Amino acid sequence: AQTVTQSQPEMSVQEAETVTLSCTYDTSESNYYLFWYKQPPSRQMILVIRQEAYKQQNATENRFSVNFQKAAKSFSLKISDSQLGDTAMYFCAFDNNNDMRFGAGTRLTVKP
Amino acid sequence: DTEVTQTPKHLVMGMTNKKSLKCEQHMGHRAMYWYKQKAKKPPELMFVYSYEKLSINESVPSRFSPECPNSSLLNLHLHALQPEDSALYLCASSQEVRGGFRDQPQHFGDGTRLSIL
Repeated sequence: AQTVTQSQPEMSVQEAETVTLSCTYDTSESNYYLFWYKQPPSRQMILVIRQEAYKQQNATENRFSVNFQKAAKSFSLKISDSQLGDTAMYFCAFDNNNDMRFGAGTRLTVKP
Repeated sequence: DTEVTQTPKHLVMGMTNKKSLKCEQHMGHRAMYWYKQKAKKPPELMFVYSYEKLSINESVPSRFSPECPNSSLLNLHLHALQPEDSALYLCASSQEVRGGFRDQPQHFGDGTRLSIL
């Protein structure tokens, strides 16, 4: 079974600074997808970034980038130039053939 | 604005009531999902429909009954729920690729916050 671990329940960062959220996972599969989702208090799950396991190049999406280490089964999210609107719960997720598993989440607070 | 629409946004019901949660998407997605999310917890997968057929049932109690009338709609029928079933119920959809590896993420609705009295 796939498991996803987020070891940081809460984090905070000053506006305009950079923060990194950690995620590790365990799987025996070779092809899969990894995602970071953001869930603000409005409760909608919003896709932040995704990474295909067979691609070595780390995904980037504007201020968001990942550090994907397949051998170490690590998938961290870096947020650059943090903005107040980035305050939310962040979930790391592993998806293999429609079976999505989420980590416990990291609550990120961006402070002015 | 979300492309996956869930109704109602809030639902309060007694343990003997029968109600339904609805989910609709018009993105042409052929995979649809129900998740349950308790407060301060990650979403937990309940059901997956692929091409209108139930493909995954994560050992969900029979008091939850999913239905996929067509490729755009997904319902979750509720009957004789327990107080511990109070949670946020999220619907999601994604493109589906037969015989290939899916390349699209799941799009989520805003959820229905369900309270069981």
